[in-house]
Amino acid sequence: SQELEQSPQSLIVQEGKNLTINCTSSKTLYGLYWYKQKYGEGLIFLMMLQKGGEEKSHEKITAKLDEKKQQSSLHITASQPSHAGIYLCGADGADSWGKFQFGAGTQVVVTP
Amino acid sequence: DGGITQSPKYLFRKEGQNVTLSCEQNLNHDAMYWYRQDPGQGLRLIYYSQIVNDFQKGDIAEGYSVSREKKESFPLTVTSAQKNPTAFYLCASSPDPGLAGISNTQYFGPGTRLTVL
Repeated sequence: SQELEQSPQSLIVQEGKNLTINCTSSKTLYGLYWYKQKYGEGLIFLMMLQKGGEEKSHEKITAKLDEKKQQSSLHITASQPSHAGIYLCGADGADSWGKFQFGAGTQVVVTP
Repeated sequence: DGGITQSPKYLFRKEGQNVTLSCEQNLNHDAMYWYRQDPGQGLRLIYYSQIVNDFQKGDIAEGYSVSREKKESFPLTVTSAQKNPTAFYLCASSPDPGLAGISNTQYFGPGTRLTVL
């Protein structure tokens, strides 16, 4: 099965600073999905990447998929308290469409 | 107001009891999924269903059972055979699991927290 490694496990960032979360796969990614979760709540879909070199942005969040399609990054510019939460990457491989594997998540804390 | 609903939000179970978690969606999605989330372990797939009256085991199906009699509904039963059921359970759905890309995006319900007393 596909393994997804997320780093860092957690991070604390001062409001207004940038942050980056990485998601690395042991296999080629055919679809990479980023989600955000508040503690005790469901996952909110952020973005989906599929093509090598693809980059998508929504408000202050940018996600990229590398050319080899084995690593993705999520970058938040000028973080705000609303960016606090757990960010998870999920992926489906060529032989398991519909069956996602998820990373363990990155907990983001934004301090004043 | 379309979406996925899960009930109850909190559930307490005594040792040896079976409990059923509800998941309903009005998004007209073909596929539905059940995940279990434990601290520091991310999400693990319990069961999934790509079409009505059909479902497959995920990575941790032992001690769980499901049914898919209607497109909108995918209830999960946690049986007494599940040795460590205390966890946060998440239900999800996607339009079409047979196609890669945006149509495979999974949308999640708010979750049910199950605690064994």
